[in-house]
Parts: sequence; C-alpha cells; structure tokens
Amino acid sequence: NAGVTQTPKFQVLKTGQSMTLQCAQDMNHNSMYWYRQDPGMGLRLIYYSASEGTTDKGEVPNGYNVSRLNKREFSLRLESAAPSQTSVYFCATKDGGGSGQPQHFGDGTRLSIL
Amino acid sequence: GENVEQHPSTLSVQEGDSAVIKCTYSDSASNYFPWYKQELGKRPQLIIDIRSNVGEKKDQRIAVTLNKTAKHFSLHITETQPEDSAVYFCAASYLRGSSNTGKLIFGQGTTLQVKP
Repeated sequence: NAGVTQTPKFQVLKTGQSMTLQCAQDMNHNSMYWYRQDPGMGLRLIYYSASEGTTDKGEVPNGYNVSRLNKREFSLRLESAAPSQTSVYFCATKDGGGSGQPQHFGDGTRLSIL
Repeated sequence: GENVEQHPSTLSVQEGDSAVIKCTYSDSASNYFPWYKQELGKRPQLIIDIRSNVGEKKDQRIAVTLNKTAKHFSLHITETQPEDSAVYFCAASYLRGSSNTGKLIFGQGTTLQVKP
C-alpha cells in the first residue's frame, strides 16, 4: 500500500522546457490536490480535483495545467517552465467530499528551473 | 482573499519545555483545522486536527485549542523532545460561497527547534 506516489522525485529543467509531474494514489480517495512549497510561504494550492472528471484553479494556477486522468491519477503540467516555478511540488489526496477530513501528502517533487 | 496567519515563524525551546504555536484565520465558515509536521526533506504529516464543534482536543503530548469567536487556534506541545524539531503548519478549511471541496489554506509554518 504505497499511499500517494509522486514521480519524478527530482528534476532540473531549462527555461522554456515542458514537463509533467505525475501523482497516483491507491487510497481510493475522491479529491486530489497540487501544492507548491516555497521557503517562508507555506503550501499554496495550484489546482485541485474534487472528484474524478472535475478540476479547478487554486491560489496560484498561472503557468500550470492539470489532468485528472482517472480516479487514481492527477498530473500537473508546466508548458513553458520559468525560474519562478522552481519549488517543491506536493500532491495530496482526501477521502470523501467536503471538509472535515485530512489531506494525505506524497513525498514531493523537487523541481529546479535554470 | 482568505488567509491563515501563523506565529511565530521560528521557536526555540529547551528539551522538556512546552511549545505553543498560534494561528488566526479569516474565513468565518471554516470548520476544520488540521496541524501538520514536516521534517526536513519529508512530506507534511498530519499530527492532530480539530473540528469546529469542539474547543479542545488532546493526543498524548499534543493538544489543539480552538476559539471560533476570535477565529484563532493553537497547537500546544508539552514535554518537548529533540525529535519534535520540525516545521509545523496549521491549516483551515476554505468554504467560501458554495465551494465545499475540502480545500485547505495553510499558514506560513513555524520552525521548532528543541535543544537537548
């Protein structure tokens, strides 16, 4: 039982390159989230998917796109990477709808844009 | 927009002392308040949470208190140990309008150092 699996763990890109961060969960959770974590700024929500087939913008969606491929998988795409997108990216999942349940995090992807 | 303010940003205590971290939130509809611990290079992990229908919850050396009127909640760690050293994040559920998607707004984090 792996929980929430993120790939890759580390990545270095050049400005303008594109890439997709993958997130897969085996917890049968409905909701999935993508965050970025920068020093001194906590975790900021990029996009989320409340249930399979739906996606919505969070606090900082600019420069990103997402795909909820199925119930298990939620990917984050950078179409044209910029140095400001250097960050640690976390995927999280939550059971059920609404609030009142904790989110469970993956191990993160450390992304550097040169 | 909605936000969560967390203080202090850094906290240093001697082993065995207590540590208190405080958060205030702006969304009066928030009803769920988790606390996460993040060790260096690791994922955030839930350590305790509280829902708005209770004022206090305790789990061994960790407790959380909630004051809905004042819109603030606090994490209390007693008898601190070196392994408590980590970054702690508070969060509040975001329920503005008809949105009820389990979204959380996180505080900026508190780096706790427990000196042996």
